[in-house]
Amino acid sequence: SQWGEENLQALSIQEGEDVTMNCSYKTYTTVVHWYRQDSGRGPALIILIRSNEREKRSGRLRATLDTSSQSSSLSITAAQCEDTAVYFCATDGASGSWQLIFGSGTQLTVMP
Amino acid sequence: GPKVLQIPSHQIIDMGQMVTLNCDPVSNHLYFYWYKQILGQQMEFLVNFYNGKVMEKSKLFKDQFSVERPDGSYFTLKIQPTALEDSAVYFCASSLETDQDTQYFGPGTRLLVL
Repeated sequence: SQWGEENLQALSIQEGEDVTMNCSYKTYTTVVHWYRQDSGRGPALIILIRSNEREKRSGRLRATLDTSSQSSSLSITAAQCEDTAVYFCATDGASGSWQLIFGSGTQLTVMP
Repeated sequence: GPKVLQIPSHQIIDMGQMVTLNCDPVSNHLYFYWYKQILGQQMEFLVNFYNGKVMEKSKLFKDQFSVERPDGSYFTLKIQPTALEDSAVYFCASSLETDQDTQYFGPGTRLLVL
């Protein structure tokens, strides 16, 4: 899982497998954003889950949110090579804050 | 989708010099942000900007940093003078509104301070 001072984590899977990445956050948030970052590019939002949602789906992506344990997960079903990227969770931080607080990220490599 | 552009993509400068990083945000967006990412580490918030003012900044946003967006042109991050520890990738982002709204990120400017 990712957060805080942890170094970038790495996961390597075969094409067609399912994968789940976890994220825990320290402060209350009303939304968890999941971004992917391809090599040499900026982060791109892939799914966003709000505090009143326990699960959110978008295509092969599924995000969950457990506000009681302050954790979220991102699952990818039947991963493809083009899913290879770094995946970050991000929260809104303290109430009234404008910033996104990013986790340390998970480098996902999907091998053919 | 909406695109944020950043110029230049790479910049190499000597310590002590001034550098300006340029961001062309999404055209109708009102909120602008800078983030810093050191290789292999998490992205960290620097500052956000709205209606001509800095709304929030982190402890990473040192006195040597400044931001502006004169007359709706580029949103800029200026570092003067630069230090070795400023070497990083700087990402600009913009959003239409704040409060859970999606932030769209640019491709980053890779800054190397020698």
